[in-house]
Amino acid sequence: TQLLEQSPQFLSIQEGENLTVYCNSSSVFSSLQWYRQEPGEGPVLLVTVVTGGEVKKLKRLTFQFGDARKDSSLHITAAQPGDTGLYLCAGGSSGNTPLVFGKGTRLSVIA
Amino acid sequence: GAVVSQHPSWVICKSGTSVKIECRSLDFQATTMFWYRQFPKQSLMLMATSNEGSKATYEQGVEKDKFLINHASLTLSTLTVTSAHPEDSSFYICSATRTGGDTQYFGPGTRLTVL
Repeated sequence: TQLLEQSPQFLSIQEGENLTVYCNSSSVFSSLQWYRQEPGEGPVLLVTVVTGGEVKKLKRLTFQFGDARKDSSLHITAAQPGDTGLYLCAGGSSGNTPLVFGKGTRLSVIA
Repeated sequence: GAVVSQHPSWVICKSGTSVKIECRSLDFQATTMFWYRQFPKQSLMLMATSNEGSKATYEQGVEKDKFLINHASLTLSTLTVTSAHPEDSSFYICSATRTGGDTQYFGPGTRLTVL
C-alpha cells in the first residue's frame, strides 16, 4: 500500500514568514501533485511535478520533487493571509489509478 | 482549462431518502472519474473509481449498494446515496482525469446534510 506522509499537520505563522511543507513516501510515484483547498470548496491544483529533481515556481511558492520521486516539498516565501488553507500533496501512478493523498497541512497565516 | 462541475453544491434531505450528485467535466473528456468524501478538517477519502462504460471500483469498506455510481458518458458521472442516514452527512467531491492524462481536476464539492 502506498502512503504519503505529510508534515507538519498544522502550521500557524505570522505574515511575512517562510515555511516548508514536506511530503514523504517509501514508494516511487510517476507524478506528484500539490493542491490547495479552502473550506467548503474542492481542491485546486497548484502544480504537477513529474521529473526527479524537478523544481517549479509559482510566484512565492516553490515546489520540488525528490531525485528518487519519493518525496516532495512546498516552500512558501513571505507568507500572506491569503495563503491560508489546506495544502494537500498527492502521488500519482497513472491516469486511471487513484491518487494517494497525504493527510494535508492546515496553514494559517496571521496578519 | 480543465473545469469540473458538481451539482448540487449543497443538499439537505430527510433520513431514508436518496440523493443524486452529478459530476461533469465541462471542457474535456474524462474516461475516469473519482469520488471522495471528506469529513471536517480531514483529508480526502477515496470512495470509488468510476470508469466510463464499466462498473465502478469501490474502496474497501464502501458499500456499493448504498453508494451507486454511474458513468454513462465521457463527461458525466453520478453518485447516488441511497436510503441516506445522518452518518452519511459529509462533503462529497469528485475529480476527473483527461483521457490519457494523469492530473486530476476536482469539482467544487457537494455538502450533504441528512436530517
